[in-house]
Amino acid sequence: DAGVIQSPRHEVTEMGQEVTLRCKPISGHDYLFWYRQTMMRGLELLIYFNNNVPIDDSGMPEDRFSAKMPNASFSTLKIQPSEPRDSAVYFCASSPGTSGRINIQYFGAGTRLSVL
Amino acid sequence: AQKITQTQPGMFVQEKEAVTLDCTYDTSDPSYGLFWYKQPSSGEMIFLIYQGSYDQQNATEGRYSLNFQKARKSANLVISASQLGDSAMYFCAMREGRRTSYDKVIFGPGTSLSVIP
Repeated sequence: DAGVIQSPRHEVTEMGQEVTLRCKPISGHDYLFWYRQTMMRGLELLIYFNNNVPIDDSGMPEDRFSAKMPNASFSTLKIQPSEPRDSAVYFCASSPGTSGRINIQYFGAGTRLSVL
Repeated sequence: AQKITQTQPGMFVQEKEAVTLDCTYDTSDPSYGLFWYKQPSSGEMIFLIYQGSYDQQNATEGRYSLNFQKARKSANLVISASQLGDSAMYFCAMREGRRTSYDKVIFGPGTSLSVIP
């Protein structure tokens, strides 16, 4: 079975440019999560969706960040304009839901973003 | 307030020995779940093991077991017979059963494990 697929794996861009990160969750999973990982702050939840609807975006750092999930098999995280402090590894994860009170999140390989 | 504490930033273990990675958590919710993830140098996050707060027995998955001590609010990961491929960052995480944040999982800062040949 295919896992969570993220693209690109690496992104290098210049300050001020728009960056779009993409994620394809595991088929049949109802939940999708976007995380950011940095040395200083660890793994932070940015936003999560349930059945394509954003549920909690309180972790989105600024208005420069936006996320969409137009359908069950695709989500994007966009940064516009990008800044050097946005440099991090961005993870997408999906979960089948809360059946049996278990909420195992399966992660993609991550996108390493460098903003110069 | 820190919800997940991992007090060991770095650990070393001899190959084939067992190692325990510490995790303590803080919650007032009686219903919660605890997870361990592994992050090798390649960067991906790999789910290892899960323990529910109402589970009567400690979870086990192959060489991984979770030493769950509910009264002490600890959920230590035990890796038996360490292998070189176990060298990685290990993250403890918790999902609280509150309705408003039902599915949010909070991650600890991680412990770096190095297995020595």
